Amino acid sequence: AQTVTQSQPEMSVQEAETVTLSCTYDTSESDYYLFWYKQPPSRQMILVIRQEAYKQQNATENRFSVNFQKAAKSFSLKISDSQLGDAAMYFCAYRSQYSGGGADGLTFGKGTHLIIQP
Amino acid sequence: EPEVTQTPSHQVTQMGQEVILRCVPISNHLYFYWYRQILGQKVEFLVSFYNNEISEKSEIFDDQFSVERPDGSNFTLKIRSTKLEDSAMYFCASSNQLAGAWEQYFGPGTRLTVT
Repeated sequence: AQTVTQSQPEMSVQEAETVTLSCTYDTSESDYYLFWYKQPPSRQMILVIRQEAYKQQNATENRFSVNFQKAAKSFSLKISDSQLGDAAMYFCAYRSQYSGGGADGLTFGKGTHLIIQP
Repeated sequence: EPEVTQTPSHQVTQMGQEVILRCVPISNHLYFYWYRQILGQKVEFLVSFYNNEISEKSEIFDDQFSVERPDGSNFTLKIRSTKLEDSAMYFCASSNQLAGAWEQYFGPGTRLTVT
């Protein structure tokens, strides 16, 4: 079974600064997807960014980018120019391609609570 | 922009009662999912559903749980004989193939409180 580890329970950053959230995972599969989800106080899960394991290029979505190191099984999220609205729990998630199609559920880490200091 | 909706937002029930949580997935999505998040813990996968049958399920999804797509729009999770430990946030999600990624989009969740 796959596991996802987020070793930082809480991170704090000054507004406008850059912060990096860490995620490592364990898998024996070669094909999979990785995601970062944001969960604000409303508790809705919002997709931030995704990375396909077969792609070497790191994904980028506006101020959000990832550093995907497949051999190290590491998938960190960098948030540039942090804004107050970025304050939330951030969850790293893994999805297998084992069952094919969209059948496989996401395996989540325990999350990192990101605090933005004004 | 299309979104997943869930009702009710909060459900309170007594131990031993049955509850049905409702979801309306995004209309052109093919796979539907249920997850739960016990307060302060990580989100856990329960089940995926495709073409009117269960595709995958986790160890959590035992005989106490069932899912159904009773019509063309709703997707439900039934919990029979609820227990105190079923208290959690339950998220519905749906996905469609987008560049092969099957990104899952989540609803706002239903908070279930079992007393």
